Amino acid sequence: QVQLQQSGPGLVKPSQTLSLTCAISGDSVSSNSAAWNWIRQSPSRGLEWLGRTYHRSKWYYDYAVSVKSRITIKPDTAKNQFSLQLNSVTPEDTAVYYCARDLYSSNDVWGQGTTVTVSS
Amino acid sequence: EIVLTQSPGTLSLSPGERATLSCRASQSVSSSYLVWYRQKPGQAPRLLIYGASNRAPGIPDRFSGSGSGTDFSLTISGLEPEDFAVYYCQQFVSSPPGYTFGQGTKLEIK
Repeated sequence: QVQLQQSGPGLVKPSQTLSLTCAISGDSVSSNSAAWNWIRQSPSRGLEWLGRTYHRSKWYYDYAVSVKSRITIKPDTAKNQFSLQLNSVTPEDTAVYYCARDLYSSNDVWGQGTTVTVSS
Repeated sequence: EIVLTQSPGTLSLSPGERATLSCRASQSVSSSYLVWYRQKPGQAPRLLIYGASNRAPGIPDRFSGSGSGTDFSLTISGLEPEDFAVYYCQQFVSSPPGYTFGQGTKLEIK
C-alpha cells in the first residue's frame, strides 16, 4: 500500500522560503511509471497544481507558469522522498499543500496535507 | 490554457437519489486524461474515476463517468451518506505539461 507522509512548518514569514517534504512508502521516487506532484488548495484559488518530478532514465521537472520563477522540486533517492521549495512567499501562498502520486495522469495517492500560513 | 467549468455549483439531493455532475472544458481534451475526485471536509481528494470512465480500485459501482471532447459527467446512483462532499474534475495536458482542476460541485443533503 502506497503512502505519502508530509512534513514541514505550518508558518512561514513573508519573503521567506516555504519548504515541505513528502516521504514515500510502498513505491519509489525513482519509479519509471509514476510522477510526483505538489498541489495546493485555497478558498480563493481552489486546487492548483504547482509542479512535478519524475524519472524516465533521467530526472524531469515540470512547473506551473504561475510559480515557475519561485519553485524547486527535488527528489531524494537516498531517503525515498521529494521536496518542495517555494521562494519569496506572500500571504497569497497561504494554502493547504498536498503531495500526490500520479499514475497515468491521475493522482491516485495523496499526502495528508499541510496547512501553511504566510504571516509575520 | 484549458479551463474546466463544473456545474451545478451546489446540488441538493436526498440519500438514495441519483446525482449527475457536469464538467465542461473550454476546448477539447483527451478522455484519457479526464479524472474525477471526491473530497470530504478536512481530507485530501480521493480518486474516483480516471480516463473519463474507469473506476479507481475500491470505488463502488454506483459511481460512473462518461463523456468526450468538451463535455464530461459523473453519475452517482443511489447516494450514500458518505457521498455528500465536494467533487472535482481534473485534466492533464502534455504540452506544456500540467494539470488543471474544475472549481468543484458541492453535493449536499436536501
